[in-house]
Amino acid sequence: AQTVTQSQPEMSVQEAETVTLSCTYDTSESNYYLFWYKQPPSRQMILVIRQEAYKQQNATENRFSVNFQKAAKSFSLKISDSQLGDTAMYFCAFILDGQNFVFGPGTRLSVLP
Amino acid sequence: DGGITQSPKYLFRKEGQNVTLSCEQNLNHDAMYWYRQDPGQGLRLIYYSQIVNDFQKGDIAEGYSVSREKKESFPLTVTSAQKNPTAFYLCASSDDRDNEQFFGPGTRLTVL
Repeated sequence: AQTVTQSQPEMSVQEAETVTLSCTYDTSESNYYLFWYKQPPSRQMILVIRQEAYKQQNATENRFSVNFQKAAKSFSLKISDSQLGDTAMYFCAFILDGQNFVFGPGTRLSVLP
Repeated sequence: DGGITQSPKYLFRKEGQNVTLSCEQNLNHDAMYWYRQDPGQGLRLIYYSQIVNDFQKGDIAEGYSVSREKKESFPLTVTSAQKNPTAFYLCASSDDRDNEQFFGPGTRLTVL
């Protein structure tokens, strides 16, 4: 079975600081995509960043970057210069062969002023 | 604007009644999905459809039914057989090119 684990149910960070959210996954496949989604209090799911498993280079999107360790099946999200608007639930997910998405349980991040 | 719409945003029903949640997309995506989210938890897959007139059960399909008669539409019916239907329901769609899922704003269903 394919699974996603997010070991930090809740985290907090001071505004302007850096925080890293952890994610590990389990799959026997070699070709897949990994995602981080953000769900703010509005509950709208928003894509933060995506990574293709066959690419060695870690993805970055402005203040968001990932540390992708394929052998360790680890996909952590780093948020730099945290802003109050980053307060949200963050979900790690992966997809196999363009079909089933598997989501982790989420990490609730609070950015403190 | 392209996107996914779900209606209504809030829905109240009496126990024992069937209810249908609407999901429409104009992104020309082939695949559509329904997820259930309970408080403080992640998303659980109910049903998904890769193509018109075809759909598959997800992890928690019992008590739910779907149809996919048009590419743009993927309604979800919550039947009286669903033991605990009160939850937040999210619809999503994706295409094969980049595999990203696009989500609707969700429907909060409360069964009284």
